[in-house]
Amino acid sequence: GAVVSQHPSWVICKSGTSVKIECRSLDFQATTMFWYRQFPKQSLMLMATSNEGSKATYEQGVEKDKFLINHASLTLSTLTVTSAHPEDSSFYICASGGPPGYNEQFFGPGTRLTVL
Amino acid sequence: QKEVEQNSGPLSVPEGAIASLNCTYSDRVSQSFFWYRQYSGKSPELIMSIYSNGDKEDGRFTAQLNKASQYVSLLIRDSQPSDSATYLCAGGLGSARQLTFGSGTQLTVLP
Repeated sequence: GAVVSQHPSWVICKSGTSVKIECRSLDFQATTMFWYRQFPKQSLMLMATSNEGSKATYEQGVEKDKFLINHASLTLSTLTVTSAHPEDSSFYICASGGPPGYNEQFFGPGTRLTVL
Repeated sequence: QKEVEQNSGPLSVPEGAIASLNCTYSDRVSQSFFWYRQYSGKSPELIMSIYSNGDKEDGRFTAQLNKASQYVSLLIRDSQPSDSATYLCAGGLGSARQLTFGSGTQLTVLP
């Protein structure tokens, strides 16, 4: 399967600050990446779909001005949580759509965000 | 109706037994299905994908798809304590390559 990295693996920040999470596909060019959020003991919730070179498509209820997604290259997508608040504390996971011929998604290791 | 529904468990089986995990899906879900394993505190890891009716085997894992009943399952033979995790069923959704996930089934294999 495809290899996806994510950085940082965890971050603690103060309320009101912004946090950027990077997601990289290491062994192929990912035209589509997905960003998920997972609260404790809950399933994955898709936040947005990002396509290289175009604006991300956000799921209903996800504030696009708060969760800024940039997919400027075929190997890098970033999620910036702006003006983070304690309720934004969660496990954020990116996934790549995989190389041509794969319908699977391959997940990065995730970023645990704690907002104090 | 949720797009993908899993028997929520938790499920406990003794070591060496067969663990059976089940999932049903709605009409909105396209005909590609995936099983992911998620250890506590980690991200999901793809175990199996299945696209056609019938069984697909990979080592100790067998995925079964029944399109008429809109049912997909995962069997784990000779279960090991290291198989203890949450198993997520996912189905393809639309042409944007999105996946929709079930709520997960927590499996514990008892030594």
